[in-house]
Amino acid sequence: AQKVTQAQTEISVVEKEDVTLDCVYETRDTTYYLFWYKQPPSGELVFLIRRNSFDEQNEISGRYSWNFQKSTSSFNFTITASQVVDSAVYFCALNNYGQNFVFGPGTRLSVLP
Amino acid sequence: NAGVTQTPKFRILKIGQSMTLQCAQDMNHNYMYWYRQDPGMGLKLIYYSVGAGITDKGEVPNGYNVSRSTTEDFPLRLELAAPSQTSVYFCASSYSGLRGSEELFFGEGSRLTVL
Repeated sequence: AQKVTQAQTEISVVEKEDVTLDCVYETRDTTYYLFWYKQPPSGELVFLIRRNSFDEQNEISGRYSWNFQKSTSSFNFTITASQVVDSAVYFCALNNYGQNFVFGPGTRLSVLP
Repeated sequence: NAGVTQTPKFRILKIGQSMTLQCAQDMNHNYMYWYRQDPGMGLKLIYYSVGAGITDKGEVPNGYNVSRSTTEDFPLRLELAAPSQTSVYFCASSYSGLRGSEELFFGEGSRLTVL
């Protein structure tokens, strides 16, 4: 069975702090894809990143970085020098080829000025 | 670029009423989905479609129906609304391609309250 766990329900940080959002997944398949989505207060869901199971390289995009470790089944998301505009709910999701997306429960990040 | 368009954005229903949430995409995506989002629960798949004329149940299909007569449209019908259907509903689409590898494109959501 597929499952995504985001153990941190809510996180609050002060602007300019670094913050890491945890994502742990479960799957028996060797081919799968991991995603992160952002849901700002306006409510829409915004795609951030996709990673396939054969690519364990970390990725950096501006202040965002992602750490994928198959050994621990984790796909963590770090925001460096957080800003108020980063306040949102962040969802981690898993998709096995031929299956449907499984979403984690989300982590609500509040960045305080 | 319209992307995925959902209507209405807000709706209040009385118990037992019925309604249809509309969803349309203009990206020529074959795959379309309906999710519901409950607080602290992430997104749960209600129904999905892999192409016109083909639909299938997701994780939480009870109380809902869908149809897919065209590639562009994927309406979600709520029959006999119940308070448990109070939620935010998202329509999404993806290009068929290598299934599983493509991201979902979401609509802006429809907030439904059943009283």
